[in-house]
Amino acid sequence: SQTIHQWPATLVQPVGSPLSLECTVEGTSNPNLYWYRQAAGRGLQLLFYSVGIGQISSEVPQNLSASRPQDRQFILSSKKLLLSDSGFYLCAWARGTSGTGELFFGEGSRLTVL
Amino acid sequence: AQTVTQSQPEMSVQEAETVTLSCTYDTSESDYYLFWYKQPPSRQMILVIRQEAYKQQNATENRFSVNFQKAAKSFSLKISDSQLGDAAMYFCAYRSKGNQFYFGTGTSLTVIP
Repeated sequence: SQTIHQWPATLVQPVGSPLSLECTVEGTSNPNLYWYRQAAGRGLQLLFYSVGIGQISSEVPQNLSASRPQDRQFILSSKKLLLSDSGFYLCAWARGTSGTGELFFGEGSRLTVL
Repeated sequence: AQTVTQSQPEMSVQEAETVTLSCTYDTSESDYYLFWYKQPPSRQMILVIRQEAYKQQNATENRFSVNFQKAAKSFSLKISDSQLGDAAMYFCAYRSKGNQFYFGTGTSLTVIP
């Protein structure tokens, strides 16, 4: 069966510090991968998605970036965090061209920028 | 980008009663998927139900059913015989042909004992 893991689960970082959130998927190959941010009391905002290694599409211009160094690994990064980067970050995957079409989510990472 | 609108930030329902959560979306595509996800206090996103746009029949999963009106671009979720465990944030989502998933802002459902 397929599983998705992301870490760390909780992170407290000072303004201006770097960020790295990592996500890995097991049990499938060539998944579509996604990073979402959920601000307090708000919906899910699509940040990045990837249909293959090295292929990253950005939905929202900001100081965050994403990379996909391996087929089932997706990393969210920032060189300098802002207060507004605080939130709950969710990694997710979906089958590219087959299956039932839904999105499978990781457990989430709570980021607090102080 | 497609937009998904949930106009009810909060809803409440008496235990064992029925509640309907609303969702509308905007798209020019003819082939797509629609979903309802549940997010309990644990924050884990759980798929509740899915609907393929080419299927005219409304999807049903036990106590959960949808009313899919393609022409009106409406996709509501009906929860029958509401249970305390149904209390959560519910998100409507749209999957485009380009494989992006877009979510509404959510509806917080309270179940009153």
